[in-house]
Formats: sequence, C-alpha cells, structure tokens
Amino acid sequence: QVQLVQSGAEVKKPGASVKVSCKASGYTFTSYDINWVRQATGQGLEWMGWMNPNSGNTGYAQKFQGRVTMTRNTSISTAYMELSSLRSEDTAVYYCARADYGSGSYSDYWGQGTLVTVSS
Amino acid sequence: SYVLTQPPSVSVAPGQTARITCGGNNIGSKSVHWYQQKPGQAPVLVVYDDSDRPSGIPERFSGSNSGNTATLTISRVEAGDEADYYCQVWDSSSAHRENVFGTGTKVTVL
Repeated sequence: QVQLVQSGAEVKKPGASVKVSCKASGYTFTSYDINWVRQATGQGLEWMGWMNPNSGNTGYAQKFQGRVTMTRNTSISTAYMELSSLRSEDTAVYYCARADYGSGSYSDYWGQGTLVTVSS
Repeated sequence: SYVLTQPPSVSVAPGQTARITCGGNNIGSKSVHWYQQKPGQAPVLVVYDDSDRPSGIPERFSGSNSGNTATLTISRVEAGDEADYYCQVWDSSSAHRENVFGTGTKVTVL
C-alpha cells in the first residue's frame, strides 16, 4: 500500500532553517510528483510547491520563492522540503502528498504531517 | 492570484444532504478536487476531477462544477462525516502556476 512517512517534529529559532523528509513506499517513487502543503493551527491548507522526483524539477508558490527548496534522494525514495529564514508565522504542520493527474492535479496520498514550531 | 471561496460552516442533520460550495472566477473551466480533514489527521481526497471518487470513498460523496461554483454534495449524512472540507484547483491562468485551496468549510452534524 502507498505510504508517505514524514520525519518528526522540530523546534527552531527564528532565522534558522528546517528540513523535513518524506519517505515513500508502495509505489515507484519517480513516477509521481510530490506536493508540499502546510497548515497553521486552526487555519486552512496552504500549498507550498511541487517536485518531480524523476527530473528534480520544482515549482514553488510565489509566497515561498527564495525561501523554500525541494529536493530528493531517489536511492532511498525520499523527498525533502527545506524552509529557511524561519519566522513565527511559519509555525505549522507540514505535509507531503503524492500528486496524481487526471484532468487536473490532485493529491491522492498524504504523509502524517510534521509539526514545525518556530520560537525564540 | 486565484481565489476560492467557501462558506465557513454548514450544519446538517443525520440522514439529510449537505452541500458545500466553492466559488471561483470561471471555476467551471478548471478541474476541482475535494478533501476531507478530521481533527488531528491529514487530509483525505474524497472527490477529484470535479466528480470522480477515489476507491474506498462512499457513493454518498459526489461533486459537480459549472460556471463560477463547484459543489461537493454529501448524501445521507452520517456522524462520521463531521470534518473540514477543502476544495482545490490548479491555477495556470497567471504567470505563477500554483495549486490553490479554498478557505475551508466546517461541516457539523447536528
């Protein structure tokens, strides 16, 4: 069965960086894009960007351009999302999700989420 | 950037029908996807490409999309349907191609 397992919770100071991992299993990692989505406490879902694990190509939401980097290690079927220059407003649960395509792009399997807390 | 507007809340009695709208400029020209999210859990895809259901999703969940409004309909609502629901589209209309989520709707089962 398809599974996305994310790394554990992180606590970071303002100005630092965080790198969240997402290990895929149950399907061919390089055949599906990965989306990253975050959710602040009590707030809605916010899309951060996507990555093609085969080519390494990425597309980032304008809001995060210059601060986010999405990478992968195909040998261990793992995607990474690194967010830099953290501020308190970045405190949120970060999700990775597998992207599938029909007429549009949607996320059919999600990781369990990683809580990132930014606090001095 | 493209904006998707949902009602903050919808209340429905068990066994009745819940309709959750998602408004966007000419959204009928886009493919709309819907997610269910229960407290403390990751979102779950319940409808994709306007009206298709992933395997394992009950037929009670259906979707439609036309004009400026997409709708997720939950028939014969059960207590377990109480959750937040989000619509989502891929916006390629601007120079910045992005996935966009709706503002979210909390469904309360009375």
